[in-house]
Amino acid sequence: EVQLVESGGDLVQPGGSLRLSCAASGFMFSSYWMSWVRQAPGRGLEWVANIKQDGSEKYYVDSVKGRFTISRDNAKKSLYLQMKSLRAEDTAVYYCARMRDPGWGQGTMVTVSS
Amino acid sequence: QSVLTQPPSASGTPGQSVTISCSGSRSNVGSDSVYWYQQFPGTAPKLLIYRNDQRPSGVPDRFSGSKSGTSASLAISGLQFDDEADYYCAAWDGSLRVWMFGGGTKLTVL
Repeated sequence: EVQLVESGGDLVQPGGSLRLSCAASGFMFSSYWMSWVRQAPGRGLEWVANIKQDGSEKYYVDSVKGRFTISRDNAKKSLYLQMKSLRAEDTAVYYCARMRDPGWGQGTMVTVSS
Repeated sequence: QSVLTQPPSASGTPGQSVTISCSGSRSNVGSDSVYWYQQFPGTAPKLLIYRNDQRPSGVPDRFSGSKSGTSASLAISGLQFDDEADYYCAAWDGSLRVWMFGGGTKLTVL
């Protein structure tokens, strides 16, 4: 069974940093592009970033470029999202996902507020 | 930057059929597969349709997807109260190098 478990969400002040993690199991992690998707309270889904199987390609939505960094460790079957210079508008549930195949995590909440 | 066009709401009565549309452009819906996700309140999205018209294991055949040109549709037949959820379409934009989501359609079963 495909499982994705996110962690690392927290309450952080504007301008602060946070690192999200996603632990994968039940599938060959190293064979899939992986994404982070977020959902602000009461809003729709917004794709944030993705990373190729070997980490050689990474893409980001414009609003996080230069502030967020996606990475992965295939040996640990883990996906990461390093977030810095956080803003109030980054407040959301962050999901780890395989966009083209079944498998989303349960999400981890990031709240940016003073 | 990242929005495909969906109707904000749709509705039907039990047993009826409903169709949700998703409109994009040549660089996303027109050139890559469309994916549909179902999300119940307070839960994570679930992949409902992949590669335009394929159903993952466990998804009832009441759900079907189609695509033509720069538009796609999700059809739900034999509506059930349990189908009340938000539905999102998504496609990769090869020009912008981003995944695009639709704004979501809230389905109400009356």
